[in-house]
Amino acid sequence: DAKTTQPPSMDCAEGRAANLPCNHSTISGNEYVYWYRQIHSQGPQYIIHGLKNNETNEMASLIITEDRKSSTLILPHATLRDTAVYYCIVREVPQGAQKLVFGQGTRLTINP
Amino acid sequence: AAGVIQSPRHLIKEKRETATLKCYPIPRHDTVYWYQQGPGQDPQFLISFYEKMQSDKGSIPDRFSAQQFSDYHSELNMSSLELGDSALYFCASSSRTGWQYFGPGTRLTVL
Repeated sequence: DAKTTQPPSMDCAEGRAANLPCNHSTISGNEYVYWYRQIHSQGPQYIIHGLKNNETNEMASLIITEDRKSSTLILPHATLRDTAVYYCIVREVPQGAQKLVFGQGTRLTINP
Repeated sequence: AAGVIQSPRHLIKEKRETATLKCYPIPRHDTVYWYQQGPGQDPQFLISFYEKMQSDKGSIPDRFSAQQFSDYHSELNMSSLELGDSALYFCASSSRTGWQYFGPGTRLTVL
């Protein structure tokens, strides 16, 4: 799996958009970008994933650059409950059970 | 919607004792994963099962073993517990090509 690089921490004001970057310069053509988050001591939670097109769901939007070497997770209207560690993970669509390799992640703090 | 169930939620054991953690996946999920998260650390993959067969193995100590049963629930057995085994243990489940859903975790404290 390709290695990812994320800033260790970020702050965002409540109600504003939170933009979390991720670099994955060694991503290969068959690898997807997944985002999970972990709210303090809870089980990690799936947010969104994408291959090369931008994706949006009820939780967030994912913007992937054209060369696929980086991406940005966007939480459009951050709330205090979005305070969590956000993990960017690159992996192939599983052909069998495939583990998640959690890197450092970004600790996002939403401030009132 | 049904979620991944883990039991017990909290467990306190003495050194050298044995512990068994249980995981009940989301219905119709055939794959189970176990992760360990030490204090201040990121989750680390231990082992996974697909259709009751071990499918991948991470940094799982030889003192630990796991299996998936015919009803797809899984158990993680931990023997000769050490202080360093104190951690959160998460179970996740997925369908063969879906993303993983995590349970609430079992907090194991070894005294």
